[in-house]
Amino acid sequence: NAGVTQTPKFQVLKTGQSMTLQCAQDMNHNSMYWYRQDPGMGLRLIYYSASEGTTDKGEVPNGYNVSRLNKREFSLRLESAAPSQTSVYFCASSEGGAGGLNEQFFGPGTRLTVL
Amino acid sequence: GQSLEQPSEVTAVEGAIVQINCTYQTSGFYGLSWYQQHDGGAPTFLSYNALDGLEETGRFSSFLSRSDSYGYLLLQELQMKDSASYFCAVRSQAGYSTLTFGKGTMLLVSP
Repeated sequence: NAGVTQTPKFQVLKTGQSMTLQCAQDMNHNSMYWYRQDPGMGLRLIYYSASEGTTDKGEVPNGYNVSRLNKREFSLRLESAAPSQTSVYFCASSEGGAGGLNEQFFGPGTRLTVL
Repeated sequence: GQSLEQPSEVTAVEGAIVQINCTYQTSGFYGLSWYQQHDGGAPTFLSYNALDGLEETGRFSSFLSRSDSYGYLLLQELQMKDSASYFCAVRSQAGYSTLTFGKGTMLLVSP
C-alpha cells in the first residue's frame, strides 16, 4: 500500500497563477484533510472532508478551494496564488467517524513557493 | 477559539529521559494526540489519550489530565534518531475527527 500520495512534490508559481494539488489515499479512509505548515506555526487545517461528498472549512480556508473527487482523492486548488501562500502543504486521511482514535496518516507534502 | 501551548525547543543527551508538555484551551475536548515529524518529513502518529492517565508505547509514554487541560509526552532512553519536532493535537469536535495542532517542540538529542 502506498498510503497517502501527493503530487507535485515541489512547485514554483508566480503571483496570480493557479494550480491544483492532488492527493490520493489507498486505505479506504472516509475522512481527508489539507494542512499548511509554516515555520513556527505548526500545522493549520485549510479544509477537510469528513466523508465522500462533503467538504468543510478549517482554520485558514481563504484563497483555497477543494474537491472530494471520490473516496480516494481530495484536491486543493489555489485560484490566484499569492506570496502568503508559500508554504508546505500536507494532505492526510483517517478512518473518520464520531469515536475512537482516528489516527491521521500524512502524505509526503508539497513544497510551494509563490514569487 | 482553540489554543495549545508547548515549549518551542528542548535539548537532551542520548540515553536520557525528556518530557514535552502541552497545555490546551479548547471549546470541547475529545482526545489529545502526539505526532512526530523529522526535518523535511511528514508527521507520523505517536500516541493518543482520551481518558486521564498514562499510555505507554515502547520508549514513549503519554499522559493526560483533563481537569488540568494538560498532557505530556515522555521519551525514555533517548536516541539520536529521536531528534525531531513533536506536536500535540486536540480533537475538539464531537462527531468529527479534525485536529488542532500546537506549534511544535523541536527536540535536539546530542551524543
